[in-house]
Amino acid sequence: DGGITQSPKYLFRKEGQNVTLSCEQNLNHDAMYWYRQDPGQGLRLIYYSQIVNDFQKGDIAEGYSVSREKKESFPLTVTSAQKNPTAFYLCASSIVGSDIQYFGAGTRLSVL
Amino acid sequence: QKEVEQNSGPLSVPEGAIASLNCTYSDRGSQSFFWYRQYSGKSPELIMSIYSNGDKEDGRFTAQLNKASQYVSLLIRDSQPSDSATYLCAVNSGGYQKVTFGTGTKLQVIP
Repeated sequence: DGGITQSPKYLFRKEGQNVTLSCEQNLNHDAMYWYRQDPGQGLRLIYYSQIVNDFQKGDIAEGYSVSREKKESFPLTVTSAQKNPTAFYLCASSIVGSDIQYFGAGTRLSVL
Repeated sequence: QKEVEQNSGPLSVPEGAIASLNCTYSDRGSQSFFWYRQYSGKSPELIMSIYSNGDKEDGRFTAQLNKASQYVSLLIRDSQPSDSATYLCAVNSGGYQKVTFGTGTKLQVIP
């Protein structure tokens, strides 16, 4: 099945720890995105990437890092600098030139 | 700051009725508009996209766009309990990385 796979579904972070959220897609989409969703809030863009080895900061990139070494993969690292990481993290992808985004199932991150 | 505004709800409608969801946006240059449905604890799924003024119908769903008044709406006919979800309005103000999402309207369809 074609789609976007996010793992893990639930993740717990200890104080001072970096954690990495996985996002893999087999849709052959060029563009990939990371969003954060807090309760009662809209989706806020963290990072996006249009092509391999290139990515851009979104509106709330501080405390996060990404890499794009393969077209299929766009992992997000939540660093210890992100002081309020508890949220629902969504990965999305789209064809370059299209503004229609398709979402993975999400990862729910909590702080221990 | 480009904004997309939605009434958070909840909007309650009886089963079989028409549900009307509204969204306003601040950037007059916006060109693309989307409605996503998000069930509790799940990720958003695309329902409709609309690019031109007027109505666009897909099954029980109709999206309406009025660029002059800067609003986009979603009508759901013959509402079903399975339509109970939060509906996110999204607007692209230029470039596919500039999609702004509203906070969503929670719809409750009462059997």
